[in-house]
Amino acid sequence: DVQMTQSPSYLAASPGESVSISCKASKSINTYLAWYQEKPGKTNKLLIYSGSTLQSGTPSRFSGSGSGTDFTLTIRSLEPEDFAVYYCQQHNEYPLTFGSGTKLEIK
Amino acid sequence: EVQLQQSGPEVGRPGSSVKISCKASGYTFTDYVMNWVKQSPGQGLEWIGWIDPEYGSTDYAEKFKKKATLTADTSSNTAYIQLSSLTSEDTATYFCAKTGPEGFDYWGQGVMVTVSS
Repeated sequence: DVQMTQSPSYLAASPGESVSISCKASKSINTYLAWYQEKPGKTNKLLIYSGSTLQSGTPSRFSGSGSGTDFTLTIRSLEPEDFAVYYCQQHNEYPLTFGSGTKLEIK
Repeated sequence: EVQLQQSGPEVGRPGSSVKISCKASGYTFTDYVMNWVKQSPGQGLEWIGWIDPEYGSTDYAEKFKKKATLTADTSSNTAYIQLSSLTSEDTATYFCAKTGPEGFDYWGQGVMVTVSS
């Protein structure tokens, strides 16, 4: 199985700041990586797929980069609604696997 | 509007089974694979498996092959997961999630399953 190592597990930032979250795969997954947002009381939201393609409706302040084993989610100019938990997921091979999550909190 | 509406919370006794539903609307149910994902309390996400509603074909993660059974009813656009031989390790929230062109583009709200005697 492909192990997905996500870091940091916890991140505190202020609105307006920019943050980055890392996701590393135990083997190459090409660009088959998705990022999701989890918020209380809402269904999980697909933000980015194929490493860098924004899902329809994802604000442009979100961006994804990387290929092979190393990937990054960057959020520029944090808005209050961005404080949430973020997960990466590889969709290159089965079983599909997720990172352990990053909780982004307001500083 | 695509929606995945899951059934309500379940309590199951150790050794028993529970069955959770996920009713899809807003798209052609048979056109997309449905996935199921487990989230244990305070933990991350684990992929359980998928079902192709059109053909009934399934695939499971190895650790769930003896635990979960995925089915789908195309007459009601509903996917199901049955969890058998419940133990405390099965206490978790279970999500259905529709496969999009890539990734899971829509998720259900999740169903909390509690295993308790």
